[in-house]
Amino acid sequence: DQQVKQNSPSLSVQEGRISILNCDYTNSMFDYFLWYKKYPAEGPTFLISISSIKDKNEDGRFTVFLNKSAKHLSLHIVPSQPGDSAVYFCAASARKTSGSRLTFGEGTQLTVNP
Amino acid sequence: DTAVSQTPKYLVTQMGNDKSIKCEQNLGHDTMYWYKQDSKKFLKIMFSYNNKELIINETVPNRFSPKSPDKAHLNLHINSLELGDSAVYFCASSAGATSGILLGTQYFGPGTRLTVL
Repeated sequence: DQQVKQNSPSLSVQEGRISILNCDYTNSMFDYFLWYKKYPAEGPTFLISISSIKDKNEDGRFTVFLNKSAKHLSLHIVPSQPGDSAVYFCAASARKTSGSRLTFGEGTQLTVNP
Repeated sequence: DTAVSQTPKYLVTQMGNDKSIKCEQNLGHDTMYWYKQDSKKFLKIMFSYNNKELIINETVPNRFSPKSPDKAHLNLHINSLELGDSAVYFCASSAGATSGILLGTQYFGPGTRLTVL
């Protein structure tokens, strides 16, 4: 039972354009969502997070949008840069019931072409 | 100034052997985790310790035993290694439950690629 899904295994965009990575979840108890970026042979690096009380959180070129009614979140990167090429993982936690346990999606490989 | 470190980075061993992977964090966090990333690239939690106390124990074979000598270290010992144990194992840490807004934000080590032959 996969509670966090990233349906696009890969995404390719041109440098300078917007990258939009999507994530869907099924567990209505999730109240905190995170995006991690992972380069080959390295551990995931925390990128940005959002609490369920918000619908948008922005940090520089990265913006995460949360649509609770649709159980959907997305990560927007604008403008995209070649250094953004990595695997992006969506993760969720139900802090009130499961504490710090994170459930991850399967990841989306983003390739930004110069 | 590495935040979460793991040793070794690569581990190649024969089936049936016993091996350990070490993890250390210098972030002052109270909670540490072990994840397994399998061949399908899913990151799945295995264990979590908070202040040396086991708080998450997923359905993992008894051959896997975590040990936390202090809150800055969480080691993973694997007995009688099997072919299916081949994966990348990630250690992570986060601030404890008392830190409120930081709960859920985990910081990962570089991973240990275990290959069982």
